[in-house]
Amino acid sequence: GIQVEQSPPDLILQEGANSTLRCNFSDSVNNLQWFHQNPWGQLINLFYIPSGTKQNGRLSATTVATERYSLLYISSSQTTDSGVYFCAAWNSGGSNYKLTFGKGTLLTVNP
Amino acid sequence: SAVISQKPSRDICQRGTSLTIQCQVDSQVTMMFWYRQQPGQSLTLIATANQGSEATYESGFVIDKFPISRPNLTFSTLTVSNMSPEDSSIYLCSYRGGRAYEQYFGPGTRLTVT
Repeated sequence: GIQVEQSPPDLILQEGANSTLRCNFSDSVNNLQWFHQNPWGQLINLFYIPSGTKQNGRLSATTVATERYSLLYISSSQTTDSGVYFCAAWNSGGSNYKLTFGKGTLLTVNP
Repeated sequence: SAVISQKPSRDICQRGTSLTIQCQVDSQVTMMFWYRQQPGQSLTLIATANQGSEATYESGFVIDKFPISRPNLTFSTLTVSNMSPEDSSIYLCSYRGGRAYEQYFGPGTRLTVT
């Protein structure tokens, strides 16, 4: 099945800093999503982005499908941005419909 | 997107017992999924539950341990049977829907087995 790798595994920022999280995937994808898991365990949908660029407030994401990677940008970070960011993908090939998750990036934003 | 809820939100159970987790979606969905997230780990798919057919389990998960029901297009249950401390995890229900096949997750059930 599809493999999803995220980097960096951990990231510590001061409030107000910018950051870029990366997701590499091993095959073409029908779906790629970014999630934020808050400290209470809730998984929040950030972007559905199998290709192209999207922006939502201070967050934006870009997926270059031909090169099999996606980037999540966080600008002017806030303490509430802390948590784990997951990238997940599926394709209709060998893995069928299974959404496969990366190991996540643990982001800590200090005041 | 449809609203998805789970019950219970958390539980502490004794070894050897079973717990059934309920997942409710406020509109009809075709594909529902159950995931497990062990402490400090990523999410792992347990099984896919489609209405009218048997659940499809991933490698490492078996029906005797994790029986799943899907009686209709808005509801599913996952039972964690004969629990051991290694079953302590967050269990998340999920559905896929909409034109974009975006996947959504419930708030999770935090299970601790003592």
